[in-house]
Amino acid sequence: GEDVEQSLFLSVREGDSSVINCTYTDSSSTYLYWYKQEPGAGLQLLTYIFSNMDMKQDQRLTVLLNKKDKHLSLRIADTQTGDSAIYFCAESANSGNTPLVFGKGTRLSVIA
Amino acid sequence: NAGVTQTPKFRVLKTGQSMTLLCAQDMNHEYMYWYRQDPGMGLRLIHYSVGEGTTAKGEVPDGYNVSRLKKQNFLLGLESAAPSQTSVYFCASSPSGVQYFGPGTRLTVT
Repeated sequence: GEDVEQSLFLSVREGDSSVINCTYTDSSSTYLYWYKQEPGAGLQLLTYIFSNMDMKQDQRLTVLLNKKDKHLSLRIADTQTGDSAIYFCAESANSGNTPLVFGKGTRLSVIA
Repeated sequence: NAGVTQTPKFRVLKTGQSMTLLCAQDMNHEYMYWYRQDPGMGLRLIHYSVGEGTTAKGEVPDGYNVSRLKKQNFLLGLESAAPSQTSVYFCASSPSGVQYFGPGTRLTVT
């Protein structure tokens, strides 16, 4: 079945850039997502990218997609303490109406 | 718009008790989902629905039942709770693709 892998932890200093990586196995993945979960809260959609795109930028967030290597990354520029959270990568195949497959999440810690 | 809401926020059950978790959305979304989140396991899909009156099994459906009698509501039932069902439960809804999540229900089974 489909699988999504992420590293579990990342620690960065405030003001530096953070890069969170994700790999997936389903070659038919059409939509790839990044969600953020703050302590005690639900998941909040950060951004998403279609598989026909290589890059998407949204303010401090840059998503890069390497479809050949099935690798997705999320770069957060000028990381702030408020960015400390768990970040989930997710993918869905076909039309995007199929259930998402989530990675286990990367816990980002920002050191002041 | 309240978005996706979940009731209750917290619950403690004894082994063998039953309960129903309610998910409601006011965005007229067709698709609704129930996940559980456990430490180190990410989110695992329990059941989902592609429209009113329909349900389907996800990755970990055993011990749970669901119903979608109204488009805006998706109920998750535990008939006989077990300690292994201690978890945080999230509901999500989707018009197509992007899923919007509720705040979660923390359930403890003793």
